[in-house]
Amino acid sequence: AQTVTQSQPEMSVQEAETVTLSCTYDTSESDYYLFWYKQPPSRQMILVIRQEAYKQQNATENRFSVNFQKAAKSFSLKISDSQLGDAAMYFCAYRSAMGAQKLVFGQGTRLTINP
Amino acid sequence: DAGVIQSPRHEVTEMGQEVTLRCKPISGHDYLFWYRQTMMRGLELLIYFNNNVPIDDSGMPEDRFSAKMPNASFSTLKIQPSEPRDSAVYFCASSLRARAYTDTQYFGPGTRLTVL
Repeated sequence: AQTVTQSQPEMSVQEAETVTLSCTYDTSESDYYLFWYKQPPSRQMILVIRQEAYKQQNATENRFSVNFQKAAKSFSLKISDSQLGDAAMYFCAYRSAMGAQKLVFGQGTRLTINP
Repeated sequence: DAGVIQSPRHEVTEMGQEVTLRCKPISGHDYLFWYRQTMMRGLELLIYFNNNVPIDDSGMPEDRFSAKMPNASFSTLKIQPSEPRDSAVYFCASSLRARAYTDTQYFGPGTRLTVL
């Protein structure tokens, strides 16, 4: 079974600075998808960014980018120019490209933005 | 589009009572997922449907839990009888297709269930 591990329960960063959230996963599959979801205090789960395993190019969405290292099974999220609205729980998630369609989530990292 | 709609947003009940959580997926989406979020276990899939048919219910914790999708626009998750350990936030999500990575799962606002 696939597992996702987020080793940082909490992180904090100064407003306008850059922060990197870590995620590692374990799988025997070669094709899969990886996601970062944001959960603000409102509880809503919001997709931040996604990556296909067979694409070597790292995904980027505005201030959010990932560092995908397939051999190391690592998928970190970098947030540049941090804003107060970025404060939330961030979840890394894995989904198989075949068969099971469920998202497998990590335990989450709580990000605090200091003004 | 209104997004995924869940009701109620909060539910407080007593142990032994029946609880029904409701979900309306985004119109046109043919996959529907039920997830549960707890401090101890994090976010985990309970069950998902494709075209109203249950595909994988291996995450349903026990026989006290049941889920139905009578039509494309409505699903229920029922707990009978409820127990304090069922206290959690229950999310419903839907997606248009679940094969390609671009088929994002859109989450509802969740139902916070408290069983006393």
